[in-house]
Amino acid sequence: AQKITQTQPGMFVQEKEAVTLDCTYDTSDQSYGLFWYKQPSSGEMIFLIYQGSYDEQNATEGRYSLNFQKARKSANLVISASQLGDSAMYFCAMREASSMNYGGSQGNLIFGKGTKLSVKP
Amino acid sequence: DARVTQTPRHKVTEMGQEVTMRCQPILGHNTVFWYRQTMMQGLELLAYFRNRAPLDDSGMPKDRFSAEMPDATLATLKIQPSEPRDSAVYFCASGFAVGTAFSGNTIYFGEGSWLTVV
Repeated sequence: AQKITQTQPGMFVQEKEAVTLDCTYDTSDQSYGLFWYKQPSSGEMIFLIYQGSYDEQNATEGRYSLNFQKARKSANLVISASQLGDSAMYFCAMREASSMNYGGSQGNLIFGKGTKLSVKP
Repeated sequence: DARVTQTPRHKVTEMGQEVTMRCQPILGHNTVFWYRQTMMQGLELLAYFRNRAPLDDSGMPKDRFSAEMPDATLATLKIQPSEPRDSAVYFCASGFAVGTAFSGNTIYFGEGSWLTVV
């Protein structure tokens, strides 16, 4: 079973509007972290935002916010006031704390397949 | 502005040749990851190190791939011999981990090494 699911291969949004990129995850851990990365056409992976499983408030970073619904195991990224420069691939990722101990086999970021966002002028 | 540095940025090589990719993690980071990105498989973990010790390289084809950290400022990923199916973007990432948490809750990626094996 996939640990991270991004159901939207591609999304379009009008410039200046808000857009939500979906991400659901699967874990039996109580402690875990959720990340969003942006990958523009130039290829680099840019960290956007982080949400810890015990964080009571949704994470926000400028125009990015994370709509964290723990019971539903979803961590959707909301981009407000879209800009042309937001056009990129967006990846959701998870790290499970239980696998971070020495000798753990999965102490790493597990990525979804990504969503390609296109912002229209 | 601290960043993860990867070399080479682009590499075209012939099948059978040895390829070495290098990564300089952010100074002070104690955890280094190597990922491979392809259209078909997405982002796959190849190896990761904590305090220079390899913790997981189960995602790496052992017969041709090897990963090392000769010192805290250098991580290498070597492919020998290279094959066309190795064509991909290889990312290095680093973070500072204490126990199960990453400082600042961030893991930073380099710009990637774009490898083409013909």
